[in-house]
Amino acid sequence: GAVVSQHPSRVICKSGTSVKIECRSLDFQATTMFWYRQFPKKSLMLMATSNEGSKATYEQGVEKDKFLINHASLTLSTLTVTSAHPEDSSFYICSARVQGKNEQFFGPGTRLTVL
Amino acid sequence: AQSVTQPDIHITVSEGASLELRCNYSYGATPYLFWYVQSPGQGLQLLLKYFSGDTLVQGIKGFEAEFKRSQSSFNLRKPSVHWSDAAEYFCAQQGGSGGGADGLTFGKGTHLIIQP
Repeated sequence: GAVVSQHPSRVICKSGTSVKIECRSLDFQATTMFWYRQFPKKSLMLMATSNEGSKATYEQGVEKDKFLINHASLTLSTLTVTSAHPEDSSFYICSARVQGKNEQFFGPGTRLTVL
Repeated sequence: AQSVTQPDIHITVSEGASLELRCNYSYGATPYLFWYVQSPGQGLQLLLKYFSGDTLVQGIKGFEAEFKRSQSSFNLRKPSVHWSDAAEYFCAQQGGSGGGADGLTFGKGTHLIIQP
């Protein structure tokens, strides 16, 4: 149980285009989902917290107009990287949490490469 | 803001030897602490967690960690490592730097290399 999937696993896009990444909880309902970014050889950095049906809460220094987060249902959150640039290239990881529990379950990540 | 420190970027251990990975957290009287392992091409897997109670926590794959409030530490240990333990290990504390109070703050990770 507690499986989280991400799609796509890898995406390559041209500079200036937008890319959408999906995060799904497959066998549980996730009232809260989190988005992280992992740079090469670096730690994971929390980008934002999304609660189903409400606006995402962004961490300091994360541009909310650049990284659009939608959590429209209890099993799906999406991260859209708008007008992507090469510096947005990174590994994006989502996690999902069941209401009332502290443990987060992580997706396998999405590798974004912006040319 | 919270911070989690993993002082060792790389650690090399012989197969069968014992292991200790260090982690220090910076904030919170009652921190929620986690250890995760990340293998190449795989997602993060939870090894163990500490919320309260017994300060020695048992996890999966033979790992354990000890919470020491006086040292603000939560070190991960394993008595005898296997070649399959080679991976990146992350210590994390619940709480983000900004508005995401429930998100995790991660250390920079320790890359574990197992020598035959």
